[in-house]
Amino acid sequence: DQQVKQNSPSLSVQEGRISILNCDYTNSMFDYFLWYKKYPAEGPTFLISISSIKDKNEDGRFTVFLNKSAKHLSLHIVPSQPGDSAVYFCAAAFFREKLTFGTGTRLTIIP
Amino acid sequence: NAGVTQTPKFQVLKTGQSMTLQCAQDMNHEYMSWYRQDPGMGLRLIHYSVGAGITDQGEVPNGYNVSRSTTEDFPLRLLSAAPSQTSVYFCASSSMAEEEQFFGPGTRLTVL
Repeated sequence: DQQVKQNSPSLSVQEGRISILNCDYTNSMFDYFLWYKKYPAEGPTFLISISSIKDKNEDGRFTVFLNKSAKHLSLHIVPSQPGDSAVYFCAAAFFREKLTFGTGTRLTIIP
Repeated sequence: NAGVTQTPKFQVLKTGQSMTLQCAQDMNHEYMSWYRQDPGMGLRLIHYSVGAGITDQGEVPNGYNVSRSTTEDFPLRLLSAAPSQTSVYFCASSSMAEEEQFFGPGTRLTVL
């Protein structure tokens, strides 16, 4: 049972435009959500997080939106840059327990 | 700060062999975990530890053992390797489970 789902395995976006990556979850007990970015042959690196008491969190070009009623979160990257090409994982946790990761979305930024 | 280090980077085993994947962190983090990454499956938690002497199972623990005798080290042991354990293994650490986890560079394991 996949509790955290990323239904788009891949996404291509023109440089300078907005990239929107989506994530759905099924467990309403999740109260903390994170996004990680992964380049080939490297470990994932943390991007941005959001607590369930918020519906938006911004950090520079990255914004995460949380819709608790829809059990949906999204990551917006504006403007998209070639260095943003990577695999993006969303993850969720509850009560300070272990993270559950989604399957990832490969983002390709087209120059 | 070296962060999270993993050794070896690559390993080829034969079915039935045993080995230990090493993981160390120098950030004094209490929480450490092991994940495996397989195509189309994302990152799946194998085992985790909330502090020295305390370990627990994750989503896919079968075939793996762990121990946490010090805060810094969290080795993952494969007792009898199977082809299904061919994967890329990542170790991670953080102050708390839901906080930013720092990942190591990974170990690519092939079991023939």
